[in-house]
Amino acid sequence: AQSVTQPDIHITVSEGASLELRCNYSYGATPYLFWYVQSPGQGLQLLLKYFSGDTLVQGIKGFEAEFKRSQSSFNLRKPSVHWSDAAEYFCAVGGTGNQFYFGTGTSLTVIP
Amino acid sequence: EAGVAQSPRYKIIEKRQSVAFWCNPISGHATLYWYQQILGQGPKLLIQFQNNGVVDDSQLPKDRFSAERLKGVDSTLKIQPAKLEDSAVYLCASGQLRAGGRGELFFGEGSRLTVL
Repeated sequence: AQSVTQPDIHITVSEGASLELRCNYSYGATPYLFWYVQSPGQGLQLLLKYFSGDTLVQGIKGFEAEFKRSQSSFNLRKPSVHWSDAAEYFCAVGGTGNQFYFGTGTSLTVIP
Repeated sequence: EAGVAQSPRYKIIEKRQSVAFWCNPISGHATLYWYQQILGQGPKLLIQFQNNGVVDDSQLPKDRFSAERLKGVDSTLKIQPAKLEDSAVYLCASGQLRAGGRGELFFGEGSRLTVL
C-alpha cells in the first residue's frame, strides 16, 4: 500500500538559514511525488512535483527537491529561508487510479 | 482562471445536527476529491469522483457521510448526524489528471467544521 512518512513534526530555523524537510514514501512502482505548502486558514498550494527524468526538481518560491529511489526519499530544500516560508508542508505521492496520499506534515517556524 | 470554490468557510454545529459543504471545481476538471484534515494531521481522502462517478469512497464513513457530484461539476458533501470527531477542515480538490496520478491537484481554501 502507498504511504508517506514525514519524520519531522516541527522544525524551527533562523531566517536566512538553509532548510531541509524529509519525506519518505512507500510505493510499488515509480511514484509521482509532490510537495504542497499550507498557510494558516488556507488550502494547499503545490510547490513542486516529480514525474520522471531529472531527479532534482525546481519549484516555486526557491524550493527544490531531490528524488532518491534507493532511499525512497523526496526531501525538500531551500538554501535561504524567509520569514514568509513559515507554514505547514506536506509531501504526497500519486498512485494508480489517480489517488493521492499525504504525509502528516511538517510545521515550519522561522525565527527572525 | 478561477480556483476551486468552497462554501461555507466556517460552520459550527452541535453534535447530531447535519451539515452540508459545497465545492465548485476548476472548469473542465474531471476529477474531484474530498479530503478531511483533522488538526495536526495530513489530508485524508474521503471520496474521489471521476466526472459524476465515484472512483473511491472506501474511507468515507457511509453511515453518516454522503457525497454527490451531479452533472459532473459541483459536488456536495453531507454529514448527518455529526459527531464531535468530525470537527475538521474539509478540503475539496480538483484536477485534470492522466492515469496514475500524473497531474496536479488544485485545492480550495477548505470548510472548517466545529462540532460542539
